[in-house]
Amino acid sequence: AQSVAQPEDQVNVAEGNPLTVKCTYSVSGNPYLFWYVQYPNRGLQFLLKYITGDNLVKGSYGFEAEFNKSQTSFHLKKPSALVSDSALYFCAVRDYSNTGKLIFGQGTTLQVKP
Amino acid sequence: EAGVAQSPRYKIIEKRQSVAFWCNPISGHATLYWYQQILGQGPKLLIQFQNNGVVDDSQLPKDRFSAERLKGVDSTLKIQPAKLEDSAVYLCASSLAGSGYEQYFGPGTRLTVT
Repeated sequence: AQSVAQPEDQVNVAEGNPLTVKCTYSVSGNPYLFWYVQYPNRGLQFLLKYITGDNLVKGSYGFEAEFNKSQTSFHLKKPSALVSDSALYFCAVRDYSNTGKLIFGQGTTLQVKP
Repeated sequence: EAGVAQSPRYKIIEKRQSVAFWCNPISGHATLYWYQQILGQGPKLLIQFQNNGVVDDSQLPKDRFSAERLKGVDSTLKIQPAKLEDSAVYLCASSLAGSGYEQYFGPGTRLTVT
């Protein structure tokens, strides 16, 4: 069965520093991977996805993610964090059934301090 | 482009009562999803529609939950009777047909069952 794991419940960084939010996946074939962000009392917002191609994927708000097949990871990164990046981040993998539903990780809270 | 609309935003009911949630997807999106997000967890798919047909309802508690998507556009999710453990945020999402497309989420309905 497909799954994703986000090993950190919370990540704390100072504003202006680089940030990394970790995600590892388990799939039986080639993965379709996604990152979403959730602000308080809001729905999830799509950040970026990896389907195929370049291992470095660029997304919204200056975020990027690096796909690493050998380490089965898809870590979310940003070179310089903003206080406004503070939110809950979810990694997701597409289920390999015909439905293509998303399977989400538990989420990682990012706290960026001024 | 208008996003996914959901109503109501908040609902408080007593256990054993019934409740209904409404979702209007992004125009042209054939696929519609209902997710349940319990506090501290990632969203879990309840049901997925392709146009007005059900694609996946394997995790829908069918003894109390029901959903429909009339005319392949709007959708309604109903709970009858509600239990305390149904307290959660119910998220509606839509996407273009095809598993590589990202899903766009509505703001969600926060349900509290007392």
